[in-house]
Amino acid sequence: DQQVKQNSPSLSVQEGRISILNCDYTNSMFDYFLWYKKYPAEGPTFLISISSIKDKNEDGRFTVFLNKSAKHLSLHIVPSQPGDSAVYFCAATFVLMDSNYQLIWGAGTKLIIKP
Amino acid sequence: GAVVSQHPSRVICKSGTSVKIECRSLDFQATTMFWYRQFPKQSLMLMATSNEGSKATYEQGVEKDKFLINHASLTLSTLTVTSAHPEDSSFYICSAPDRVPDGYTFGSGTRLTVV
Repeated sequence: DQQVKQNSPSLSVQEGRISILNCDYTNSMFDYFLWYKKYPAEGPTFLISISSIKDKNEDGRFTVFLNKSAKHLSLHIVPSQPGDSAVYFCAATFVLMDSNYQLIWGAGTKLIIKP
Repeated sequence: GAVVSQHPSRVICKSGTSVKIECRSLDFQATTMFWYRQFPKQSLMLMATSNEGSKATYEQGVEKDKFLINHASLTLSTLTVTSAHPEDSSFYICSAPDRVPDGYTFGSGTRLTVV
């Protein structure tokens, strides 16, 4: 049972336009949602997160929106740049025990920025 | 920021041999380390959670006798793939929570090829 789903395996966007990456989840107990970026043969890099009590978080070109009623979050990148071409993972966390969290990952979306 | 140093980045080994992968947290203490494996075109899959000073917790379907995890100190966790087979060839990544619950720092990953 996939608790975090990224239904688009890939997305192609023109440089300078907005990239919107989507993520759906099923577990209402998740308390934080995170986005990671991963280049081939490298570990994921943390991008941005959002608490389940908020609906928006912005950091430079990256904004994450959370719609709890729809159990949906999205990552907006604007303007898109060639270096943004990577695989983006959506992840969610919940508490296992004191200060111990587990990450549940989506399958990833490959973002391709076209020049 | 927090750094997790993972070595080696690439390793090729013969079937039947064992390979050790190390992850060290630099400038912070990691009482917990998560070990992931990425299959081609699939998401990162959590294999096990190592805890300093106690036994690792393995996810369902992960053979603990095959993937030996040791968390000997607050800055070092190791994953040993024993009696490696070609199907163990994969990309292995470690991760430690550094700004719970917001951020997890990942190692750069290890590409294991078993021939």
